Amino acid sequence: DIVMTQSPVSLPVTPGEPASISCRSSESLLYSNGNTYFAWYLQKPGQSPQLLIYLGSNRASGVPDRFSGSGSGTDFTLKISRVEAEDVGVYYCMQTLQTPFTFGPGTRVDIK
Amino acid sequence: EVELVESGGGLVQPGGSLRLSCAASGFTFSSYYMHWVRLVSGKGLVWVSFISNDGRTTTYADSVKGRFTISRDNARNTLYLQMTSLRAEDTAVYYCARVVHGGYDNWGQGTLVTVSS
Repeated sequence: DIVMTQSPVSLPVTPGEPASISCRSSESLLYSNGNTYFAWYLQKPGQSPQLLIYLGSNRASGVPDRFSGSGSGTDFTLKISRVEAEDVGVYYCMQTLQTPFTFGPGTRVDIK
Repeated sequence: EVELVESGGGLVQPGGSLRLSCAASGFTFSSYYMHWVRLVSGKGLVWVSFISNDGRTTTYADSVKGRFTISRDNARNTLYLQMTSLRAEDTAVYYCARVVHGGYDNWGQGTLVTVSS
């Protein structure tokens, strides 16, 4: 199974400041078709998860442009250029290259 | 507007069974692969199963293989998860999700399954 790890586990943030979360996979997520099967999700308190980034670096529909995803192969980063109060919650990375599809353990983001 | 609505969760004793449903609307259900994902308290999100758009291909996490069965009725725009031999560790909020470009672009609101005596 592909193991996904995230850091940090917890991230206190200041509104208006940047923030960054890292995710690493135990195997490359690059498929032979050129796509990287990696995504970021945010689960806000009391809500279902929502897709932020898909195929490694593509922002999902309706996601503010302060969110960006980068990385390739096994190392990925989610950046928030200026954190807003509504960005609190648990952020998960996930791979869908091969079954079983696996999530990272999550990074809890809250306001300082 | 895409909508996914789960139902069927509840309290069940260990060894019992439950069938979850996910009613889909706002898109051509028969064109999409669908997944079940669960949120386990203190553990996070865990992938459970997926089914191809035509229902011919299914895959399961090892932890549920042989106990859970995913299916779909494209005429009724509904996804199902039949759960048998339930264990305490199956306690979770279960979400159905639509997959596009390798990501879950739409999720249901979730249904809580509690396995306890």
